[in-house]
Amino acid sequence: SQQGEEDPQALSIQEGENATMNCSYKTSINNLQWYRQNSGRGLVHLILIRSNEREKHSGRLRVTLDTSKKSSSLLITASRAADTASYFCATTHSGNTPLVFGKGTRLSVIA
Amino acid sequence: ETGVTQSPTHLIKTRGQQVTLRCSSQSGHNTVSWYQQALGQGPQFIFQYYREEENGRGNFPPRFSGLQFPNYSSELNVNALELDDSALYLCASSPGEAGELFFGEGSRLTVL
Repeated sequence: SQQGEEDPQALSIQEGENATMNCSYKTSINNLQWYRQNSGRGLVHLILIRSNEREKHSGRLRVTLDTSKKSSSLLITASRAADTASYFCATTHSGNTPLVFGKGTRLSVIA
Repeated sequence: ETGVTQSPTHLIKTRGQQVTLRCSSQSGHNTVSWYQQALGQGPQFIFQYYREEENGRGNFPPRFSGLQFPNYSSELNVNALELDDSALYLCASSPGEAGELFFGEGSRLTVL
């Protein structure tokens, strides 16, 4: 079963614009992670935010976490055509429990 | 540092057959997880191995089984293949904590 649910399911923007994707989850978490997947390829880890953190940055990526609302957002600033991919949030509850992925947001950046 | 490698990359089987997929973990990683990703869906957790023992399993029937070897490489076996088993099978390794997963490029299985 899916723990996280991304919103929107699909997003199309122009190059240079910012892209925001949201993730909601159902139960308490240990950490939340965002991954990127180019079509039919493996997933690549982008960023991990722990349950006691509220915001993290990595290059053009900014992730926020609101545990009271059980939600997270991923912001990609100044998007590029190469950012076109599917983006997944994934959560883990505690210890060595497995990562549970959402269904993803398909981002298309048009040059 | 060698990343996670999976084989084969693509394969076609017929209903009722058996398949074995292989995964070599990233160096130094003792935990391997397997995921099934149907077209247009997120990865679904199948099971996880830690130091050769299964230590977590998702909602998959017993015909999905696995092994982890002393060098931390792993196999996923699926018996009595069904059409719905057609998917991308992803292997991921990690250093054993609840941190990031390092994924291979996947094995695309088509069941006819």
